[in-house]
Amino acid sequence: QKEVEQNSGPLSVPEGAIASLNCTYSDRGSQSFFWYRQYSGKSPELIMSIYSNGDKEDGRFTAQLNKASQYVSLLIRDSQPSDSATYLCAVKRGVGAGSYQLTFGKGTKLSVIP
Amino acid sequence: KAGVTQTPRYLIKTRGQQVTLSCSPISGHRSVSWYQQTPGQGLQFLFEYFSETQRNKGNFPGRFSGRQFSNSRSEMNVSTLELGDSALYLCASSAPTDRAARGLTEAFFGQGTRLTVV
Repeated sequence: QKEVEQNSGPLSVPEGAIASLNCTYSDRGSQSFFWYRQYSGKSPELIMSIYSNGDKEDGRFTAQLNKASQYVSLLIRDSQPSDSATYLCAVKRGVGAGSYQLTFGKGTKLSVIP
Repeated sequence: KAGVTQTPRYLIKTRGQQVTLSCSPISGHRSVSWYQQTPGQGLQFLFEYFSETQRNKGNFPGRFSGRQFSNSRSEMNVSTLELGDSALYLCASSAPTDRAARGLTEAFFGQGTRLTVV
């Protein structure tokens, strides 16, 4: 059973702080990694993708990937109340085209306290 | 550029009925995948279509089926509805050819169809 594990939270951080969200995966064939944000009652919104080991930064978001440790994380700097949502980690086997199937963690609920 | 469009947004059906949900992917996207989201199980993969062919199927009973048309639009059908089929059904489109060739294959979700079975 290929699994993606996330701490369900809730993770509470004060406004302006760094929120750190973590994800581990079991399938060593996983090559593509994604973070989605889902507000209550809404659909998942892609916020980061990462394919290579190391860090990838986009605005206040930084994704970190360590394939050897089968670990991917998301850092949110200067957290805002609008960042309060559930963050879903998703992994895909293989890179590029080919059968597209994402395996999701159950999500970490983030609450940013004003 | 229009996003992924799912219709209808909300549905209420009775046990034993069948339902058809529709998904129009982002223009230029040829892969459409379907997911079921429930509070207990999270997001689970149903199936994926590419160029009218089902390439992959998740661990769901045969009551769940789908198809894709030549314009990449996709439908999923659930027959003989059960109470446990109540969920948010999400469609995702991905794999524009130019990005797929470079190994970049993000998936973008529609707004979902909220199905309630009573």
